[in-house]
Amino acid sequence: IAGITQAPTSQILAAGRRMTLRCTQDMRHNAMYWYRQDLGLGLRLIHYSNTAGTTGKGEVPDGYSVSRANTDDFPLTLASAVPSQTSVYFCASSQGQGTSFEQYFGPGTRLTVT
Amino acid sequence: AQKVTQAQTEISVVEKEDVTLDCVYETRDTTYYLFWYKQPPSGELVFLIRRNSFDEQNEISGRYSWNFQKSTSSFNFTITASQVVDSAVYFCALSEPHSSASKIIFGSGTRLSIRP
Repeated sequence: IAGITQAPTSQILAAGRRMTLRCTQDMRHNAMYWYRQDLGLGLRLIHYSNTAGTTGKGEVPDGYSVSRANTDDFPLTLASAVPSQTSVYFCASSQGQGTSFEQYFGPGTRLTVT
Repeated sequence: AQKVTQAQTEISVVEKEDVTLDCVYETRDTTYYLFWYKQPPSGELVFLIRRNSFDEQNEISGRYSWNFQKSTSSFNFTITASQVVDSAVYFCALSEPHSSASKIIFGSGTRLSIRP
């Protein structure tokens, strides 16, 4: 069982380019999340999905979009990357809907926007 | 509003010392959950513990223990007889499951270094 996989592991991206970060889980978890981690700021929620077919905005959603076509996949898209989106991105999932359940995290994607 | 404060940015201790990581939270809800996560140098985040607001019993798991005190809005984490493998960034987090937005608020983390 792999848990949560993210791709790519790291990426250098020119400003203005479009980029999709991939996230796949094999635990059949209902809920999935995208966070960004920046030094001194901890983790901040970008978008979430409580179940396939639904998504919601987190704390810092601007410049990002997500989709949840099925249970396993939760891609994060940067439509036109900007340097302030340089960060480490973590995908997570939890068994139940809502935040009372512990979350399991992927290994992260390190993104640098130049 | 929700808020999690980890005032200790960095802590460095010598191996075998005990160390406590502080976490203070703010919430208006009576039902909430508190979490601790560990992020070792390899980068992944590892779930350590979840505690709901109605369970104030302290918990011990091996060398790890957690002290939840609603009176002071704190959920502190103690490592007894620390080891080098405990070196990591530790995050405290808070969730309010009844809030309109489904989210967990993370503290900014405490970087713990255990020196041999």
